[in-house]
Amino acid sequence: KQEVTQIPAALSVPEGENLVLNCSFTDSAIYNLQWFRQDPGKGLTSLLLIQSSQREQTSGRLNASLDKSSGRSTLYIAASQPGDSATYLCAVTHGANNLFFGTGTRLTVIP
Amino acid sequence: DGGITQSPKYLFRKEGQNVTLSCEQNLNHDAMYWYRQDPGQGLRLIYYSQIVNDFQKGDIAEGYSVSREKKESFPLTVTSAQKNPTAFYLCASSMSLSSGNTIYFGEGSWLTVV
Repeated sequence: KQEVTQIPAALSVPEGENLVLNCSFTDSAIYNLQWFRQDPGKGLTSLLLIQSSQREQTSGRLNASLDKSSGRSTLYIAASQPGDSATYLCAVTHGANNLFFGTGTRLTVIP
Repeated sequence: DGGITQSPKYLFRKEGQNVTLSCEQNLNHDAMYWYRQDPGQGLRLIYYSQIVNDFQKGDIAEGYSVSREKKESFPLTVTSAQKNPTAFYLCASSMSLSSGNTIYFGEGSWLTVV
């Protein structure tokens, strides 16, 4: 069964710092990988989607990479801001129409 | 505005009681999903439906039931058989995920057993 792991579970950084969040998955037979943001007590918002044939996607200060063969993805956040504080989750599409989620990284950006 | 509406936001259940969480989408998506989120455990799939009048069990379907009578609606009933129902419940919808479509989530419903 597909398992998705995110490290670290929590991260605190000063404002302005660049940071990297990690995601790993056990089965490389995925269709795509998505990164989501979740604010406390709210639903998830999709940030980036990388197809299995792609290596990376960029949106503003966010860059996500995918190494399918090694089962790894990273989310790079440049010049972090306090408004970036949230939980970030990655998920892979594996099987017909199902997402497997990691447990998330809780990010705090300190002003 | 297009999106997914979940209601109620907060719900309290007494022991032995069934409760139903509502989920409506106006995105014209074929697939709809229910996830449960517990602290530190990420999201776990309860049920999903890829088409009207059809649905499949996810990883933790015991104690839950669903229906899909209309494309835009996918209500979840938490039955008395679910022994630990206190959690945050998220509804979602999408077109085909394997084709690279994004999944959209509602704002969630908090269920507490009293």
